[in-house]
Amino acid sequence: QVQLVESGGGVVQPGGSLRLSCAASGFTFTGHGMHWVRQAPGKGLEWVTFIRYDGTTKFYADSVKGRFTISRDNSRNTLYLQMSRLSAEDTAVYYCARDGNGYNFDYWGQGTRVTVSS
Amino acid sequence: QSALTQPASVSASPGQSITISCTGTSSDVGSYNFVSWYQQHPGKAPKLMIYEVSKRPSGVSDRFSGSKSGNTASLTISGLQAEDESDYYCWSYGGSATFSVFGTGTKVTVL
Repeated sequence: QVQLVESGGGVVQPGGSLRLSCAASGFTFTGHGMHWVRQAPGKGLEWVTFIRYDGTTKFYADSVKGRFTISRDNSRNTLYLQMSRLSAEDTAVYYCARDGNGYNFDYWGQGTRVTVSS
Repeated sequence: QSALTQPASVSASPGQSITISCTGTSSDVGSYNFVSWYQQHPGKAPKLMIYEVSKRPSGVSDRFSGSKSGNTASLTISGLQAEDESDYYCWSYGGSATFSVFGTGTKVTVL
């Protein structure tokens, strides 16, 4: 069965950096684009970034453009999110999600919590 | 990248039907049939309920249905059940400029 397992969350100081990982299994990783979606405490879902199945195309929300970088290692079936210049507004649960090849999020991980605080 | 507009809350009694609206613009909902809906219970990851406006993934109850008219998409839940009490989010593809936008979310309460 499809499994997505995020890791790498934690507490980081403002201005700091963090790298999230998402280990994928149970499907052909190279056949799907992947997303990161976040949810601040008590708030709604916010799409963060997308990467095409082959890593050649990436899109970012305006709120993270220039600070976050999405990447993937298809040999390791792993998705990454490199986050830098973090601020309190980046505090959230970060989910990785598989794109269902029709622009939708058909499977989600359990999320990893990122807290930006001094 | 403004969020799609949803009502903050909707409530109804068991067995009744409800409809949640999701209003976007001609650049997102109005231009593409890549509209999807997600159910999220507290503390859990979201779950895909409807994709491409009106298609249901395998395993999702046929009590859930989706539609679209102009810049507004809708999710209808018929025969409301206690387990349907949850938060619901719409999402639309926005083309290469915006790419992706979620709705503001709707809390469904079963009275």
